[in-house]
Amino acid sequence: GAVVSQHPSWVICKSGTSVKIECRSLDFQATTMFWYRQFPKQSLMLMATSNEGSKATYEQGVEKDKFLINHASLTLSTLTVTSAHPEDSSFYICSAAHGSADTQYFGPGTRLTVL
Amino acid sequence: EDQVTQSPEALRLQEGESSSLNCSYTVSGLRGLFWYRQDPGKGPEFLFTLYSAGEEKEKERLKATLTKKESFLHITAPKPEDSATYLCAVTGPYAGNNRKLIWGLGTSLAVNP
Repeated sequence: GAVVSQHPSWVICKSGTSVKIECRSLDFQATTMFWYRQFPKQSLMLMATSNEGSKATYEQGVEKDKFLINHASLTLSTLTVTSAHPEDSSFYICSAAHGSADTQYFGPGTRLTVL
Repeated sequence: EDQVTQSPEALRLQEGESSSLNCSYTVSGLRGLFWYRQDPGKGPEFLFTLYSAGEEKEKERLKATLTKKESFLHITAPKPEDSATYLCAVTGPYAGNNRKLIWGLGTSLAVNP
């Protein structure tokens, strides 16, 4: 149980284009979903927290107009990287938590490369 | 300041050589401590959640313990497939739906056959 999927697993795009990443909880209802990015050899950096049906809460320094997050249902959240630039290249990982539980279950990650 | 420190940074073991990984934390009112395993190019895989000092949890060759200042992840008779980065994280007494995890930098474990 507690399976989270992400799609796509990797994506290459041109500078200036937008990319959408999907995160789905497959066998539970995710009241809260989280989006992280991870650079090589570094720990996970929380970008934003989203609750179903509410606006996402972004961490300090994360541009909300660049990283659009939608959590329209209890099983799906999307992250759209708008007008992507090479510095946005990274490993993006989502996680999901059920109800008031603190344990987060992570997706397999999406490798974004912006040329 | 809330903080999580993991040691050692890297550990190399021979297959069958048991050892322990340490996670020291400083947080005002621990709500939960989490252990994850992360393989290269993958998202973290959940291992354990511990809530109170004295609590222990086991899964196959892994056993996690918790005190008021630190947690240990004991690995008994490891196999090469246990090679991964082990991450520790905590949550403090945040209100409402704020369940932000405070992460350590991880211990990179390599088990040689």
